[in-house]
Amino acid sequence: ETGVTQTPRHLVMGMTNKKSLKCEQHLGHNAMYWYKQSAKKPLELMFVYNFKEQTENNSVPSRFSPECPNSSHLFLHLHTLQPEDSALYLCASSQVQRGGRDTGELFFGEGSRLTVL
Amino acid sequence: RKEVEQDPGPFNVPEGATVAFNCTYSNSASQSFFWYRQDCRKEPKLLMSVYSSGNEDGRFTAQLNRASQYISLLIRDSKLSDSATYLCVLGNFNKFYFGSGTKLNVKP
Repeated sequence: ETGVTQTPRHLVMGMTNKKSLKCEQHLGHNAMYWYKQSAKKPLELMFVYNFKEQTENNSVPSRFSPECPNSSHLFLHLHTLQPEDSALYLCASSQVQRGGRDTGELFFGEGSRLTVL
Repeated sequence: RKEVEQDPGPFNVPEGATVAFNCTYSNSASQSFFWYRQDCRKEPKLLMSVYSSGNEDGRFTAQLNRASQYISLLIRDSKLSDSATYLCVLGNFNKFYFGSGTKLNVKP
């Protein structure tokens, strides 16, 4: 079983649809992340959750809504997206010490490739 | 100013060549440093962490210069399978900052 799994791997949706991306990590980590990767751009951090609490919202539009029900699962709910939101959405996890000091690297899922028509 | 800056390349090198990438960063408080590798249409994967004293893993050598705020990656005896995009990554508490990546093409 891979460390970080994402579903679906591919998603095509219209601008009026509501869909969700799911991420699950099997590494016992306490921090989870959503990143967006568009063509020819660096990875953009969207959201960070530490110990199930959201600690970072990097000015992400409200049409993206994260949910972290427990330290192993992370969702990204999508609603009324725009064509420019088409991208690869990557979930990642890491182990963070209490107090927020980072201790280890990020482990990524394989990503969900989203196309908005 | 971007948190992390990298030369996007591409670097086109023959098999067996030695190639070096540099990366500069702006936040002197950065705590952790990494090189990730990303193959086309795949997720990034950790290549190696970068330590202050420099570290080596087979054909790969990473260096950190905190005074000048740059990180380097040296690849010796390049293989065709080394063709990928190499991402410079900084960690600061629970945030990670990615460079835009340097593309390497190793040719026969």
